Parts: sequence; C-alpha cells; structure tokens
Amino acid sequence: DGGITQSPKYLFRKEGQNVTLSCEQNLNHDAMYWYRQDPGQGLRLIYYSQIVNDFQKGDIAEGYSVSREKKESFPLTVTSAQKNPTAFYLCASSDKNSPLHFGNGTRLTVT
Amino acid sequence: RKEVEQDPGPFNVPEGATVAFNCTYSNSASQSFFWYRQDCRKEPKLLMSVYSSGNEDGRFTAQLNRASQYISLLIRDSKLSDSATYLCVVNPVYGDKIIFGKGTRLHILP
Repeated sequence: DGGITQSPKYLFRKEGQNVTLSCEQNLNHDAMYWYRQDPGQGLRLIYYSQIVNDFQKGDIAEGYSVSREKKESFPLTVTSAQKNPTAFYLCASSDKNSPLHFGNGTRLTVT
Repeated sequence: RKEVEQDPGPFNVPEGATVAFNCTYSNSASQSFFWYRQDCRKEPKLLMSVYSSGNEDGRFTAQLNRASQYISLLIRDSKLSDSATYLCVVNPVYGDKIIFGKGTRLHILP
C-alpha cells in the first residue's frame, strides 16, 4: 500500500541534543512538507521541498534543518538552537493540486 | 486579511442537527481547496476536496464561492463521531506553500 511513514511515533531527548525525525513516502510525490503543531494550535509550516535537492523555509524554520537527497525521503533535524522543540511533528506529501497526505506524526518531548 | 481564516469555535451541536461553517481566503488566485478532519492527537485526514460546482459526499456538502472568497462545509444529521477539528486548506498555486486554517472545533452532544 502506498503511504507516508514517520518514525518513531514517540521520541524523547535531552535538551541540547540534535534529533532527526524520519519521513518516507512511496507515493511518488514530488512535494514534501514538515509541519509543527502545538497543543490546541493550528499547523505551522517548518520547511517544504518541491523537488529533489531543493527546499524552502516555511514560517518557523529557525532551529530546524532538512535535506532532500531522495524523492521519497525528507528527514527533519531539530537542532539544539530550537528554543521550544517539544511538539507534534507532521510530515506530508503531495502532487500538483492534489490533497496533502499526512504521516501519523512524531511526538517529540525534550526535557 | 489573514491568508486563511476560520472561526475556531467550539461549536456545540446536538446529535442529529445540521451544522455549517465557513473558511475565508485572501488569495483570489488560489487553485484548489480541501477540508480536513483532525481528531485529538492524530494527524489530519482528508475529508473532501472542494470543487467549483460544489460537491457532496454522504452527509457532507462542500461549496466554493470564488466571488466572495470562501469555502463552506455542511454536515447533515450530525453524529457523535463527527466531533473533531475541521481544517480548511487552500493551495494557492502549485509551488507555493499550502495554507492551513487554524481549524474549527466541533462537539456533537448526545
């Protein structure tokens, strides 16, 4: 079955450590996105990529980094520079004018 | 005007009632529109796309008004399981970032 997979579902880290969230899709979509959601809040765009080896900052890119070396993979690194990293992280993919398909999300807790 | 705007609610509606809510958008060149449903602590899931002529899927009807720049969602014969947050999504032009509304919370009361 085609889909988008995020792992792990729950991730715990100590403050000051970088952490990388995985996102893989086998839908052959060109575009991939990372969103962050805080409790009771809407989705905020961190980074997006329309094509391999290219990506753009979203609204809240500071403290995050991404890579797009393969069409099917779009990992997100939460660096120690991100002031409030604890959140629900959602990865999505899409094709031209098609709806976004979301992964199940990764819930990151930094203590 | 915000790019995409929704009434956050919550809307508390008795089971069996009809409920409707709107979403306004600012970019008149927007290409495609969607309604998503998000349950607590879960990922958003596509409820339905919104077409210019309006479209229906069972108890759900979506409409687009380009002149006034809003989309709407109508839920008939509401069920307890309809309780969720409903997100409006606007895709301006392919290549630009997709815009999410902050969501409307709906509580269906027994």
